[in-house]
Amino acid sequence: EVKLLESGGGLVQPGGSLRLSCAASGFTFSTYAMSWVRQGPGKGLEWVSTISGSGSSTYYADSEKGRFTISRDISNNTLYLQMNSLRAEDTAVYFCAKGRLGMPFDYWGQGTLVTVSS
Amino acid sequence: QSVLTQPPSASGTPGQRVTISCSGSSSNIGSNYLYWYQQLPGSAPKLLIYVNNQRPSGVPDRFSGSKSGTSASLAISGLRSEDEADYYCASWDDSLNGVVFGGGTKLTVL
Repeated sequence: EVKLLESGGGLVQPGGSLRLSCAASGFTFSTYAMSWVRQGPGKGLEWVSTISGSGSSTYYADSEKGRFTISRDISNNTLYLQMNSLRAEDTAVYFCAKGRLGMPFDYWGQGTLVTVSS
Repeated sequence: QSVLTQPPSASGTPGQRVTISCSGSSSNIGSNYLYWYQQLPGSAPKLLIYVNNQRPSGVPDRFSGSKSGTSASLAISGLRSEDEADYYCASWDDSLNGVVFGGGTKLTVL
């Protein structure tokens, strides 16, 4: 059974940093691309970033380029999102999702809430 | 403003058939697969349709997807109260090099 468990969310001040983690199990982690998708309060889904199975290729939405860094630890089956220079508009539930490059996702985690506020 | 366009709301009575549309462009729907997700209140999205018209195991055959050119649609037949949820379409976009979503359609079962 595929399981994705996010952690690391919380309250952070504007300009601050946060690192999200996603522990994956139930599938061969290195075979699949992994992504982060966020959903602001009362809003729709917004793709944030994707990393290839090997970790050699990364993709970012324009609004996150230069501020967010996606990475993965294949030995620990864990996906990360390092978020810097956080803004109020980054407040959202962040989901990790499994898929293949060039395609949307087949499994989602339950999400972790990030609140950027002073 | 979402890259893919969906109606913000849809509704139907129990037993009815409802369709939700999703329109895009040649760089996304026109050249890539279309997926549909169902999101119940307070829950994570769940895959409903993949590769345009395929249902994952466990998804009832009341749900069906189709794609033509740069548009797609999700059909729900035999509407049930538990189908009340938000529905999102998604596709890869070759120009943006990422996944794009529709703005979501809130389905109300009257």
